[in-house]
Amino acid sequence: GEDVEQSLFLSVREGDSSVINCTYTDSSSTYLYWYKQEPGAGLQLLTYIFSNMDMKQDQRLTVLLNKKDKHLSLRIADTQTGDSAIYFCAAGNQFYFGTGTSLTVIP
Amino acid sequence: NAGVTQTPKFQVLKTGQSMTLQCAQDMNHEYMSWYRQDPGMGLRLIHYSVGAGITDQGEVPNGYNVSRSTTEDFPLRLLSAAPSQTSVYFCASSGLGTYGYTFGSGTRLTVV
Repeated sequence: GEDVEQSLFLSVREGDSSVINCTYTDSSSTYLYWYKQEPGAGLQLLTYIFSNMDMKQDQRLTVLLNKKDKHLSLRIADTQTGDSAIYFCAAGNQFYFGTGTSLTVIP
Repeated sequence: NAGVTQTPKFQVLKTGQSMTLQCAQDMNHEYMSWYRQDPGMGLRLIHYSVGAGITDQGEVPNGYNVSRSTTEDFPLRLLSAAPSQTSVYFCASSGLGTYGYTFGSGTRLTVV
């Protein structure tokens, strides 16, 4: 199956940008996804990128895809305390998920 | 729209007991999956289904059974619960023309 890796923790100050990184192994992934999980809740789809794109912007969110290096990143501009959550990247047709990155926003 | 509904939300089992985690979706989605979430390990795929009558194993299928007799329902059965199955279980669904999965709110299972 797919191997998807993320760092476990990230801490940023309110108002700064956050960058969450993800690497994956299956180059045949058609879409790659970012999900957000708030405490005690299920995962919610944040955004996705098609594999033939390099970048996708959606309001405060920017997704960058480097297919050559199999590297995906999520940038959150002007990070707010409400952005504190666990962020998962997902790849592969059966949606293999990374370990999740716990983002803590310091007021 | 209810989306993906999982029941129960919480469950405590004794080792060796069996139970069924229920999952239902009302979006007419073809694809349904079960995941377990453990600290530091992310979500791991247990079983998945690409349509009624079709199921397949994911990364960690041992100790679990599934069936998909209707499009709407995808129950997960624990045959003989073990403490290693203590986890949070998520059901998710996706359909043709949709992007990504819609997740249920999860079932927190403790096996003692």
